Amino acid sequence: GENVEQHPSTLSVQEGDSAVIKCTYSDSASNYFPWYKQELGKGPQLIIDIRSNVGEKKDQRIAVTLNKTAKHFSLHITETQPEDSAVYFCAASLYNQAGTALIFGKGTTLSVSS
Amino acid sequence: GAVVSQHPSRVICKSGTSVKIECRSLDFQATTMFWYRQFPKQSLMLMATSNEGSKATYEQGVEKDKFLINHASLTLSTLTVTSAHPEDSSFYICSATGGKLDYGYTFGSGTRLTVV
Repeated sequence: GENVEQHPSTLSVQEGDSAVIKCTYSDSASNYFPWYKQELGKGPQLIIDIRSNVGEKKDQRIAVTLNKTAKHFSLHITETQPEDSAVYFCAASLYNQAGTALIFGKGTTLSVSS
Repeated sequence: GAVVSQHPSRVICKSGTSVKIECRSLDFQATTMFWYRQFPKQSLMLMATSNEGSKATYEQGVEKDKFLINHASLTLSTLTVTSAHPEDSSFYICSATGGKLDYGYTFGSGTRLTVV
């Protein structure tokens, strides 16, 4: 099955700096890679996603890059703000008998200090 | 946008009792629902995948007789934790996809289950 590795587990940056979180996946059949932000006690919120036919996608301060050959994808947040502090999860799609589920990385706790 | 309503948000129950968690897709037909469990400071672990009208497919290590999943309609899926024990205390989250979401996954807000 799919295995998603995420690094680092914690990341502390100063306000205005950039933050980068990296993930690798094992199943070459995976073709959808979303990133989620989760605040304490809440469900995950999609912040950006990328499909396998694209190498990069950007949405304002957030960008995601995908290298299918190397099976890794990264989240880039520029000009970080204190409100960006949260736990971020990467995920990769995995087809099983019942459907295409998302398998999550272990998460990165991002702390942005002002 | 697509919305999945999950209830209850928090529940406390006694050991040995059963608890039902509901997830409803409000503005789309959820052909497939996924149930996840998340322990404190850990990742979301897929428990099962269910399609409307079919039996759920459980991940390895998840007891299907303990975690009963029903997906009887295109807008409602339920997870029942039977004979709950303290070790079942966790954050349970549903996710739905289907219709015109084209690979989009909409997550519920989660249910914090505490078994005492």
